[in-house]
Amino acid sequence: GAVVSQHPSWVICKSGTSVKIECRSLDFQATTMFWYRQFPKQSLMLMATSNEGSKATYEQGVEKDKFLINHASLTLSTLTVTSAHPEDSSFYICSANRDYTTEQYFGPGTRLTVT
Amino acid sequence: AQTVTQSQPEMSVQEAETVTLSCTYDTSESDYYLFWYKQPPSRQMILVIRQEAYKQQNATENRFSVNFQKAAKSFSLKISDSQLGDAAMYFCAYRSEPSNSGYALNFGKGTSLLVTP
Repeated sequence: GAVVSQHPSWVICKSGTSVKIECRSLDFQATTMFWYRQFPKQSLMLMATSNEGSKATYEQGVEKDKFLINHASLTLSTLTVTSAHPEDSSFYICSANRDYTTEQYFGPGTRLTVT
Repeated sequence: AQTVTQSQPEMSVQEAETVTLSCTYDTSESDYYLFWYKQPPSRQMILVIRQEAYKQQNATENRFSVNFQKAAKSFSLKISDSQLGDAAMYFCAYRSEPSNSGYALNFGKGTSLLVTP
């Protein structure tokens, strides 16, 4: 149990376009979902925290108008990178909490390449 | 904000040997959780072990165990009988007790573990 999926696993888009990444909890309801960004050979950096039905909480330095997060249901959160630029190329990972006491369950990640 | 420090960017161990990965953290909280995550080349984050700060007993999961020193704010991971499949990036992570922060994880910079035959 406690499986989190991400789609797509790899996406290439042109500079100036938008791309949406989906994060789904497949066999549990996620009270909270998180979005992380990871550059090559670096650690995970938290971008934002989202709760179902409410606005996401963004970390300092993360542009909320560029990285749109929608947590429409207890099993789905989406991250939309708007007007993507090459510097947005990165590995994006989502995770989900099942309740207040369990660890976070991570998705497999999405590699975004902006050309 | 809590900071997590992993002072060993890279470590190497021979197969079947034991290796210890270091982690220290800074916090003013009394209740929190600590984790070790493994990230293999597939980049899927895998939970290795977790420790609740209120528990004095060190957590153990098969070949993986921790040395949790709360006063020293130290949380090291010991891998016994190392296997080739243990080769990966290992991240130490801190999580506060439930609060408005949404239980987000603070990660260290990671330690790359190489296992040699």
